[in-house]
Amino acid sequence: DTGVSQDPRHKITKRGQNVTFRCDPISEHNRLYWYRQTLGQGPEFLTYFQNEAQLEKSRLLSDRFSAERPKGSFSTLEIQRTEQGDSAMYLCASSSRDTALHEQYFGPGTRLTVT
Amino acid sequence: AQTVTQSQPEMSVQEAETVTLSCTYDTSESDYYLFWYKQPPSRQMILVIRQEAYKQQNATENRFSVNFQKAAKSFSLKISDSQLGDAAMYFCAYIQGAQKLVFGQGTRLTINP
Repeated sequence: DTGVSQDPRHKITKRGQNVTFRCDPISEHNRLYWYRQTLGQGPEFLTYFQNEAQLEKSRLLSDRFSAERPKGSFSTLEIQRTEQGDSAMYLCASSSRDTALHEQYFGPGTRLTVT
Repeated sequence: AQTVTQSQPEMSVQEAETVTLSCTYDTSESDYYLFWYKQPPSRQMILVIRQEAYKQQNATENRFSVNFQKAAKSFSLKISDSQLGDAAMYFCAYIQGAQKLVFGQGTRLTINP
C-alpha cells in the first residue's frame, strides 16, 4: 500500500494560466475526494467521485474548475484562467466502500501559488 | 448544513503533560462519524482517532482519547503524556454517510520541552 499520491507537490503559475493536478488514490479505493485548504484553515470540500462518477460538487467549484476520474482510478483537477484567490493547498483523499467507518486517507497535497 | 467549530486557535502544553482540544458540531442527523486528524508542518494529514455516533463508549487510541457528548454535540480530544512529535495542527471533522468531511478551523498545538 503506497498511499495516496499527488503530483506535482508544488506549482507556481501566473494569473490567467491553466493548471492541472493529478491524484492517485490507494489502489482499489473506489471513492476519491478533492479538498482545498487555505493557510491556517481547515480543508473545504470541492468534489467527490465514486468510481468514475462525479457525485457531488461544492459551490466553491466555479466553472473554471473541472475534475475527472475517467477510469475510476486516478483523478485530475484542472483550474482554468487561474486567479490569485486560487492560491491554496489542494488535497486529495480516498476511501473504500468496504470501510464502514468512512475513513478517508489523504495525500500530501499540491500547493498552488498564483502570482 | 453541518458545521464544526474549534474555539481554540492555539494551545500549548509542557512535554509529558495532558492537553484537551475542544470541538463542537451542529447536525440534525443521528447517525454520523467524528474524527480528529493531525497535520504536522509540511506533512500530510493523518487520522488520529474516530468515533461512531451510535457508540456511547468513548474511543481510545494509545495516548489519545475522546470525550464524546452526543446531546451536547461536543467531541474533545485528550492527549496524555504529550510528546514533541505531537506538535501539529489538529482538525476535528464530521461525516455523515459516504460523503464529504466537514472540518473545523483547526487548533495549533505546541509542545514545550
